Amino acid sequence: KAGVTQTPRYLIKTRGQQVTLSCSPISGHRSVSWYQQTPGQGLQFLFEYFSETQRNKGNFPGRFSGRQFSNSRSEMNVSTLELGDSALYLCASSLGADEAFFGQGTRLTVV
Amino acid sequence: QQQVKQSPQSLIVQKGGISIINCAYENTAFDYFPWYQQFPGKGPALLIAIRPDVSEKKEGRFTISFNKSAKQFSLHIMDSQPGDSATYFCAASKNFGNEKLTFGTGTRLTIIP
Repeated sequence: KAGVTQTPRYLIKTRGQQVTLSCSPISGHRSVSWYQQTPGQGLQFLFEYFSETQRNKGNFPGRFSGRQFSNSRSEMNVSTLELGDSALYLCASSLGADEAFFGQGTRLTVV
Repeated sequence: QQQVKQSPQSLIVQKGGISIINCAYENTAFDYFPWYQQFPGKGPALLIAIRPDVSEKKEGRFTISFNKSAKQFSLHIMDSQPGDSATYFCAASKNFGNEKLTFGTGTRLTIIP
């Protein structure tokens, strides 16, 4: 069974630009969560979508947004990029309770 | 506010030894405690998880010990192998894992021959 697929794997963007990251969950999984991983702050929860609705939201500014499509694929968008947004962005999918399966992440570098 | 505290930050263990990583949490509403293993360039992968109705759970060489009254849980890796060298994260969630995962800061484990 295919795992969680995130694209692209690597991105370099300039300050002030915007970026869109994509996540394809495991087939049949309706919950998709996004996390930001940095050396300083560790893994921090961004938001979670379930059946196209945002169900939970972390403590990130409004520049971070997301959406989920009817096929459960999800995108997250970061507008007006800042240097501090450089991080590994991880997507996780799950059936509901218990195990969350993570993708390999998108490494975003803001210069 | 760091709700899950993890220690140590790094750990070196000899091959065949026992690796022990500890976590403490503050929010008594947490009811699902997983451990994740992450290799460089990969996303975290679930190792083992426990709910507070049991004090210990074992899967192969990996054991979680859980102390509800102390609000602490730990991961024990028996007979540690070089292939276990990775970063380990504890996490906690409410509603039996239906809500967001709150992660510890991670432990970089190195197993030396």
